[in-house]
Amino acid sequence: DAGITQSPRHKVTETGTPVTLRCHQTENHRYMYWYRQDPGHGLRLIHYSYGVKDTDKGEVSDGYSVSRSKTEDFLLTLESATSSQTSVYFCAISDSRTGVDQPQHFGDGTRLSIL
Amino acid sequence: QKEVEQDPGPLSVPEGAIVSLNCTYSNSAFQYFMWYRQYSRKGPELLMYTYSSGNKEDGRFTAQVDKSSKYISLFIRDSQPSDSATYLCAPGTGGGNKLTFGTGTQLKVEL
Repeated sequence: DAGITQSPRHKVTETGTPVTLRCHQTENHRYMYWYRQDPGHGLRLIHYSYGVKDTDKGEVSDGYSVSRSKTEDFLLTLESATSSQTSVYFCAISDSRTGVDQPQHFGDGTRLSIL
Repeated sequence: QKEVEQDPGPLSVPEGAIVSLNCTYSNSAFQYFMWYRQYSRKGPELLMYTYSSGNKEDGRFTAQVDKSSKYISLFIRDSQPSDSATYLCAPGTGGGNKLTFGTGTQLKVEL
């Protein structure tokens, strides 16, 4: 799994509660990403990071925030979870070599259910 | 209209068949073309990575890109039951870090 660990792997929580998902990498890659995967929509980018403390929004960022205080860790926070955020969340990493960005590699996901 | 279109399947083939999986896209800025394989309850796994138009072969897998028609294909020769998975096409810009994913095609290879 390209040295990517997502935690927790499964979580069930209630509407209105805060939730934090963690992505940890051992590859020292520059870029880290958070996606959600839903039937009929495929993988959609939530936020990504291009370095420590450097983050940017993706296609579906509303209701989500991220932080990256260390190269190896990228946190995704749902400040007040809603049922529409029930999904499978994937973390991905990629790097640059000789100025060319390399493909993304994915973790095994976190299944989040919000009741 | 979605930026990347992919037939969801399921596509069912007998073992040993040649499989053709396809995507169309609308963004002419896409220069990098990935294929990912995803098994049930697992993360996507990079299968093929090509730049610009042309063919790339890796074992039983061939990726084909036609930028003039905005059409991407993945061919699997001598398909095996272990190839049963969902295949995601993902064209992008900026190398590997700006991807747009198709919804995936589910493939079943039967004995």
